[in-house]
This record gives sequence, structure tokens and C-alpha cells, in this order.
Amino acid sequence: DAGVTQSPTHLIKTRGQHVTLRCSPISGHKSVSWYQQVLGQGPQFIFQYYEKEERGRGNFPDRFSARQFPNYSSELNVNALLLGDSALYLCASSLANTTRALLSGELFFGEGSRLTVL
Amino acid sequence: GENVEQHPSTLSVQEGDSAVIKCTYSDSASNYFPWYKQELGKGPQLIIDIRSNVGEKKDQRIAVTLNKTAKHFSLHITETQPEDSAVYFCAATSYNNNDMRFGAGTRLTVKP
Repeated sequence: DAGVTQSPTHLIKTRGQHVTLRCSPISGHKSVSWYQQVLGQGPQFIFQYYEKEERGRGNFPDRFSARQFPNYSSELNVNALLLGDSALYLCASSLANTTRALLSGELFFGEGSRLTVL
Repeated sequence: GENVEQHPSTLSVQEGDSAVIKCTYSDSASNYFPWYKQELGKGPQLIIDIRSNVGEKKDQRIAVTLNKTAKHFSLHITETQPEDSAVYFCAATSYNNNDMRFGAGTRLTVKP
């Protein structure tokens, strides 16, 4: 079975540009989360989506947005890129299947999209 | 909100020795504590997790202990091998929380 897949794997942008990152969860997983991992630090929560609705948002500016599609894949969008947005962006899916247990266990991470902003 | 602290930031051991990584958390409502291993260029991969209704869990050479009173949990790796070299992250969350908080990571190096 395919794991969580993310694209692109690497990309370089300049300040002020916009970027779209894509994620396909494991088949059967309805919950997708996005994390930002700056070099040398642990992943930091950006968003969670479940059944196409935003269920949680971390402490990130409005330049960050996301959505989930009917097939449960997801996109993360970042506008007006800053140098500090350079990071590994991780997508994770999970088997959360109720609104009460949005994180019922293991997060399965993709290999990430490494964004460099020049 | 939850705050997770992890120590040490780097750890170097000789092959065959044991390695211990410790984490503390702040939110007493947290009840799920996973450990992730991240190899260079890859996403984090779950290696073991523990829920708040148990104090210890073991899987071959890896074990995790949890002290809810003191709000700390630890990862123990015995008989370390060079392939154990990676960055290890602890994390904490609760079942009705969609935000998993990670520690800053421990870079483990196992010298042959």
C-alpha cells in the first residue's frame, strides 16, 4: 500500500511569491494534518482537516491556508513568501474517524516538501 | 497549550550501549505520547507510543516509560546499532486535540 505522498519534493521560490504543496493520504484515512519543520526543530502544527473541513489551526499567519478535497487529498497554500517560510513541510494522515477523536492514534507522515525561499 | 521539552539535544553512544532520551510535558490533559524517528531526508516515522493508562511499553530493543504524576516520559533503546542513528522526537497530545506538540529532537549517533 502506498504511504502518504507529497509533491513537490523540493522547490525554490523568491520572497513575495506564492506556493502550493500537495498531499495524498493513505487510502482510507480521512484526516490530513500539515506541519512545518524548520531545520533543527521539531514539526510544528499548521492545520488539520477532517472530512473536508478545517478542524484545527496552529499559530500561523493568514498567509497560510489549506483545503481538503472529496478524495481526502489536500493542498497547503502559502502567499507572500518570506525568508522565514523556508522549511520542510510535512503532511500526515491518520485514521481519525469521529469529530471527538480527531487524533485517535498514529500520525503517518510523508517525506515532506522542502521549500527554500530566496 | 501543551509544551514539550526534550533532552538531550545530541547523544553519542558506542554500539551495543543503551541510549535514553527524556521528555517533559506541561498539559495534564495529554494522554497520548508517541516517539518518532526521522532519518536524513525523510519524514518522521512512529517507532513506539504509549497511552496514559499504562506506565511502560516495550517493543524488542525499544521501551517507553511514562510518569503521569511528574509529567515526563522517556525512550530507552538497548543494544544500540549504527542504524539507530537518527533524530528522535517525542510528542504529546490528547484524543480530542488536533494539535500534536513535538519536542525539539535528539540527534542520536551510534558509533561502530
